[in-house]
Amino acid sequence: AQSVTQLDSQVPVFEEAPVELRCNYSSSVSVYLFWYVQYPNQGLQLLLKYLSGSTLVKGINGFEAEFNKSQTSFHLRKPSVHISDTAEYFCAVSDNSNDYKLSFGAGTTVTVRA
Amino acid sequence: GEEVAQTPKHLVRGEGQKAKLYCAPIKGHSYVFWYQQVLKNEFKFLISFQNENVFDETGMPKERFSAKCLPNSPCSLEIQATKLEDSAVYFCASSPRQQRGDTQYFGPGTRLTVL
Repeated sequence: AQSVTQLDSQVPVFEEAPVELRCNYSSSVSVYLFWYVQYPNQGLQLLLKYLSGSTLVKGINGFEAEFNKSQTSFHLRKPSVHISDTAEYFCAVSDNSNDYKLSFGAGTTVTVRA
Repeated sequence: GEEVAQTPKHLVRGEGQKAKLYCAPIKGHSYVFWYQQVLKNEFKFLISFQNENVFDETGMPKERFSAKCLPNSPCSLEIQATKLEDSAVYFCASSPRQQRGDTQYFGPGTRLTVL
């Protein structure tokens, strides 16, 4: 079984500043890692995912994440945020043993201020 | 369609009443998933389908929850005799018939409020 821990429940940040959202996972097998964003009153939208290969993954809207197997982490970063990045961010994992379903972290609320 | 569609957007039920939620997956996607989001943040997997067959139902509270995906019809999630703790946003997701790690595409959700 796998689990996901998002270490920050809320991250306030000023516009044009960088942001990092931390995600750690636990799993005994190879994993697939995802970051989703949820804008207010909307469903989840995929930002990026890691399946294999290069550990630095680039996604939409200028986001990127780095898979670190030794630290079991998949932190999300953006070098310069916009007001429109205000949203909930969810890290999720699936693995070889769980037949496709996603296990989500508790989410990180990002509030971007001018 | 190109997006996962969910109806209704909002649903209000009195405790003990039945609730039925619908999901139309993206055309050509063979896998459908239902998730429950309680208290805004916590997601819980409920059930998944491969076409009309149940693929994984380990998250379903079976005594009151049931789900179906029938050919040429939207998938449905039904809750008999709703309880206050069933208040949540229910998300449906679909993914194409590919290998593990495929993206799940989420619908906008149905907000169920049990009074």
